Amino acid sequence: QKEVEQDPGPLSVPEGAIVSLNCTYSNSAFQYFMWYRQYSRKGPELLMYTYSSGNKEDGRFTAQVDKSSKYISLFIRDSQPSDSATYLCAMSPPWGGNLIFGKGTKLSVKP
Amino acid sequence: EAQVTQNPRYLITVTGKKLTVTCSQNMNHEYMSWYRQDPGLGLRQIYYSMNVEVTDKGDVPEGYKVSRKEKRNFPLILESPSPNQTSLYFCASSQDRGLTEAFFGQGTRLTVV
Repeated sequence: QKEVEQDPGPLSVPEGAIVSLNCTYSNSAFQYFMWYRQYSRKGPELLMYTYSSGNKEDGRFTAQVDKSSKYISLFIRDSQPSDSATYLCAMSPPWGGNLIFGKGTKLSVKP
Repeated sequence: EAQVTQNPRYLITVTGKKLTVTCSQNMNHEYMSWYRQDPGLGLRQIYYSMNVEVTDKGDVPEGYKVSRKEKRNFPLILESPSPNQTSLYFCASSQDRGLTEAFFGQGTRLTVV
């Protein structure tokens, strides 16, 4: 079983749709959970991070962590064509250093 | 402007010819790391450093070396590159050990023939 599983998509939605992206993981030691966005030919850029379980909201983006189910989600409201990118989940244990990424989900938002 | 700078951006080399990819950050971050990104495999961590002279292996360290002699620089060294090291490489830096707010460089596309 891989440490972090993420559906690679591709996922295509119309502009204005609510997008749900998610990852599952197997290592219960993970404590920090991040979502990165990567545009084509660019480095990943941090969208949000959460510590342990719970929700975090930032504008149109909401991150959720359910440690009991080992499941994290990213919701994008009112999706825009500029949101078209690959979204990567990432997580790390409390002792830090070692960052594990999901394989990424490619999202396309059609005007 | 806060940034992580990698050089070169593109590199084609031959098997066995030693090369170094440089990485420099201007944010005074303690933590730096290297990743490779391959289709179908995603981003995988090669090495990371928690401070000057402190480095540790990530998930795919074989065939790579790193050094951290100064806080701002974290070069990636391929002593004897092989074709299976053809990949897109990213350097990243972060202020905290959870790497929760990692800044990534623009990437280095390496081809080993």
